[in-house]
Amino acid sequence: RKEVEQDPGPFNVPEGATVAFNCTYSNSASQSFFWYRQDCRKEPKLLMSVYSSGNEDGRFTAQLNRASQYISLLIRDSKLSDSATYLCVWDAWLGDKLIFGTGTRLQVFP
Amino acid sequence: EPEVTQTPSHQVTQMGQEVILRCVPISNHLYFYWYRQILGQKVEFLVSFYNNEISEKSEIFDDQFSVERPDGSNFTLKIRSTKLEDSAMYFCASSEFLAGVSSYEQYFGPGTRLTVT
Repeated sequence: RKEVEQDPGPFNVPEGATVAFNCTYSNSASQSFFWYRQDCRKEPKLLMSVYSSGNEDGRFTAQLNRASQYISLLIRDSKLSDSATYLCVWDAWLGDKLIFGTGTRLQVFP
Repeated sequence: EPEVTQTPSHQVTQMGQEVILRCVPISNHLYFYWYRQILGQKVEFLVSFYNNEISEKSEIFDDQFSVERPDGSNFTLKIRSTKLEDSAMYFCASSEFLAGVSSYEQYFGPGTRLTVT
């Protein structure tokens, strides 16, 4: 089983739509989880950390389900500027290396 | 807002040559990392560095690679004898421990695109 599995997409959605991405991870001992976004040929940028209780930041909501070993990202009211690749990421221990998924590509159209 | 910086943005070198990639982590961060991303592939961990020594390294980080923190601000990655397959984007990252949430959020620099010909 891959360490991190994500649907590569692309997800093509109109402006204003709600879109959700899921990601499964293989290591039940994983400590911390993150969503990063990456624009073409740019660095990964931290979008949000994912906490056990779930957390929200504006239009973005992240959920963690440790029992099923998956995390999700919900984007409401999609903007053109949300078009990017969304990377599911975890680390095995505090301060440890990050394990990246291959990413899910989102394309928001007018 | 503080950010990680990297130089050069693009480096072209011939096979067998040595290259040094430079990074300036965020000033109050204590943990430093190098990752690489081959075009079209996922981001891969190379090495982590804390308290002036390597904490962990991946299988990719063989004897041709080394890291150094020569002064209080710079963090470098050296590849002694480059190979064609070293062509990739190299990202530096840094983090601090956030006690309140027990999390190490890593922040990435803009990367150095290394092309080996």
